[in-house]
Amino acid sequence: KAGVTQTPRYLIKTRGQQVTLSCSPISGHRSVSWYQQTPGQGLQFLFEYFSETQRNKGNFPGRFSGRQFSNSRSEMNVSTLELGDSALYLCASSLTAGADGYTFGSGTRLTVV
Amino acid sequence: GQQLNQSPQSMFIQEGEDVSMNCTSSSIFNTWLWYKQDPGEGPVLLIALYKAGELTSNGRLTAQFGITRKDSFLNISASIPSDVGIYFCAGLSYSGAGSYQLTFGKGTKLSVIP
Repeated sequence: KAGVTQTPRYLIKTRGQQVTLSCSPISGHRSVSWYQQTPGQGLQFLFEYFSETQRNKGNFPGRFSGRQFSNSRSEMNVSTLELGDSALYLCASSLTAGADGYTFGSGTRLTVV
Repeated sequence: GQQLNQSPQSMFIQEGEDVSMNCTSSSIFNTWLWYKQDPGEGPVLLIALYKAGELTSNGRLTAQFGITRKDSFLNISASIPSDVGIYFCAGLSYSGAGSYQLTFGKGTKLSVIP
């Protein structure tokens, strides 16, 4: 059973640009959550999607957005990149989002210069 | 917002020693989780705790869900070099509309000296 796949693994972008990250959940998992990991703030919840609907959103500015497709694959987009957006972006999938557990991908390392 | 206080921040131990780390929260959680993260990888679930007072083992790892539901600890016995990594506690909370989210501690970085 394939795990959670995130692409690309590494990205370097310039301030002001936008970026799109992709996440393919474990087959059969319908919930996809996104987290941002930085040395200063640790792991912080961005948003969660289930059946193409955003069910929950963390405390991040509107520049951070996402979507989920009918095959449960998800993308997150960050517009007008700032230096502080440099982070490891992690995607986690679960069957329903809850106590059945989350499986994380290896993440996308975004560097904004 | 909810915050988890995880301690210690880092530990250096000799191979074969036991390790203990803990997490406390100002809020109640109904599920506590412990993850391990290796460099360049995402967190991997080690142990999940679902009931207050629950004590669960996974090999050399033992974790407990505090009675108050505001704390948890993780013990690693007889540490080995591959235990090196960052350990995170996380509390699972219901956010409404069928959605849950994880609140993470800042992590405990474990170094094992052979």
